[in-house]
Amino acid sequence: QKEVEQNSGPLSVPEGAIASLNCTYSDRVSQSFFWYRQYSGKSPELIMSIYSNGDKEDGRFTAQLNKASQYVSLLIRDSQPSDSATYLCAVKAGSYQLTFGKGTKLSVIP
Amino acid sequence: GAVVSQHPSRVICKSGTSVKIECRSLDFQATTMFWYRQFPKQSLMLMATSNEGSKATYEQGVEKDKFLINHASLTLSTLTVTSAHPEDSSFYICSARVGADTEAFFGQGTRLTVV
Repeated sequence: QKEVEQNSGPLSVPEGAIASLNCTYSDRVSQSFFWYRQYSGKSPELIMSIYSNGDKEDGRFTAQLNKASQYVSLLIRDSQPSDSATYLCAVKAGSYQLTFGKGTKLSVIP
Repeated sequence: GAVVSQHPSRVICKSGTSVKIECRSLDFQATTMFWYRQFPKQSLMLMATSNEGSKATYEQGVEKDKFLINHASLTLSTLTVTSAHPEDSSFYICSARVGADTEAFFGQGTRLTVV
């Protein structure tokens, strides 16, 4: 059974700090990795995708993937209160559907 | 990103009635649409996968006769919750993707409350 594990948090960081969100997955053949942001009462919004080992940067967001360790992370630099949300890690192997983690709740303290 | 529109955003219905939720891909053709359910403080749970023109594939534990899914066109899928009960109250979210290797885009979600 495919599993995606995330620390549920809450993770609290001060405004302007770096928030580090982590995710591990069980299916070694996973090929595609996504981070979604979900505000309370809203549906998830895709913020990053990563497919190969290493780092991928997009603005204040950096996704990091290590397939050997089955680990993917999301760094948010210069955290803002508006970044406060639940961040969902999702993993896909081939054409299968996404498997979601339970999400990490991030709270950025002004 | 691509736009997926889901309606209604909120619905309240009486126990025993049926509710239909629509999911439309507005600017792309979605070969596959997914329906999720999310209970408070829980993650998204996949209910079923539907491919245009074929029967939906339901996840284990999801009653196909209770949650009817129709994917009649490449831009529209519907989920009908039949004979709704209070325990069906949840946040239902659809997502759609163009192809097997592309990311999925989510609709706005539907908050269903059964009273």
